[in-house]
Amino acid sequence: KNQVEQSPQSLIILEGKNCTLQCNYTVSPFSNLRWYKQDTGRGPVSLTIMTFSENTKSNGRYTATLDADTKQSSLHITASQLSDSASYICVVSPLNTGTASKLTFGTGTRLQVTL
Amino acid sequence: DAGVTQSPTHLIKTRGQQVTLRCSPISGHKSVSWYQQVLGQGPQFIFQYYEKEERGRGNFPDRFSARQFPNYSSELNVNALLLGDSALYLCASSWGQGTYEQYFGPGTRLTVT
Repeated sequence: KNQVEQSPQSLIILEGKNCTLQCNYTVSPFSNLRWYKQDTGRGPVSLTIMTFSENTKSNGRYTATLDADTKQSSLHITASQLSDSASYICVVSPLNTGTASKLTFGTGTRLQVTL
Repeated sequence: DAGVTQSPTHLIKTRGQQVTLRCSPISGHKSVSWYQQVLGQGPQFIFQYYEKEERGRGNFPDRFSARQFPNYSSELNVNALLLGDSALYLCASSWGQGTYEQYFGPGTRLTVT
């Protein structure tokens, strides 16, 4: 069964600090991996999308890395801001699928940035 | 360009009632997917429609149904509401049928009392 596990479940950091969120997946064969940011009560917003051949992808202060051999991804947030407080969801897509039903969502990491 | 829009934003229903949620995709997108997200969990796939045809169905009871209109907008209907149907319902649009980049709407918060 395809699974996506994220850690930690929740995280509290001080404003200005860096943090790293983890995503482990068992989806195979693998096509792409996405990180989304979801503010409370709102829809997810895409941060990065990486194919199996990409190792890293940046979007401003967000940098995602991917190790397709170990089936691990991380999202690194640099110089955190209060507005980074949100849930971060890892989503994995298998290869050659013709339907969104095959997307596997993680349960997310809840990040809180404090003063 | 307008993003994915959903209506209503919030609604409160009583057990046993029926509800209809609406979604308008990004202009040019032909696929709409519906997800249910319970608090603290990741989104769970309900349906995908592409070119007005159902292309995928998740593990949800027959009380859940959907359709897509010629303008690619979509409705999700839930009959005989249960307390457990309380959730954030997300609509996502994409250009194609496959696992293309999906763009999510703001969601509809449904509370069943």
